[in-house]
Amino acid sequence: EVQLVESGGGLVQPGRSLRLSCTASGFTFGDYAMSWFRQAPGKGLEWVGFIRSKAYGGTTEYAASVKGRFTISRDDSKSIAYLQMNSLKTEDTAVYYCTRYYYDSRMGVDDIWGQGTMVTVSS
Amino acid sequence: SSELTQDPAVSVALGQTVRITCQGDSLRSYYASWYQQKPGQAPVLVIYGKNNRPSGIPDRFSGSSSGNTASLTITGAQAEDEADYYCNSRDSSGNHLRVFGGGTKLTVL
Repeated sequence: EVQLVESGGGLVQPGRSLRLSCTASGFTFGDYAMSWFRQAPGKGLEWVGFIRSKAYGGTTEYAASVKGRFTISRDDSKSIAYLQMNSLKTEDTAVYYCTRYYYDSRMGVDDIWGQGTMVTVSS
Repeated sequence: SSELTQDPAVSVALGQTVRITCQGDSLRSYYASWYQQKPGQAPVLVIYGKNNRPSGIPDRFSGSSSGNTASLTITGAQAEDEADYYCNSRDSSGNHLRVFGGGTKLTVL
């Protein structure tokens, strides 16, 4: 079964750091780009960023709201994608989802989603 | 703020057809993807590309696109289709950024 499982969420104080993990199973992790999204309580979905597969350089792209504070990385040997979140703000409070991401010249598609992990930034 | 525009709420009678729309400049260059989200659950991909359904998605779901508008159509809506629906596409800048609609809450009456 193709599956993504996020972990690492919790309560953290403003200004501190947190690292989320996304463990994949059921597919060849290294062949795919991976994305992160978030959803604040009662709000819509927001794209956070993504990391390309190593075949495409393993480079990253980020939303303006997190650029410079968040870093996405991957360990293909463990089938894990990471979201390192630094200098956290109260507005970063959300459920964070990882996805398997497919893209070409006409579209970008997140076909598999994890169940999400809650991050609460509060003093 | 969302760079794709969706109606906040739409309703449909059980068994009838409903269209949910999504507008934005990026849709002139890129296809939309559509996601269904039920309360307390993760989003699920229902339509992508020109009009493609992932395995397991009923064929009452279909997609179309014209100009800057993408549409998700549910033909013969069922009670279990009541959910929030989000459209998403690549950003028109070509930098692999992504844009979302604000979501449409579908109520099946």
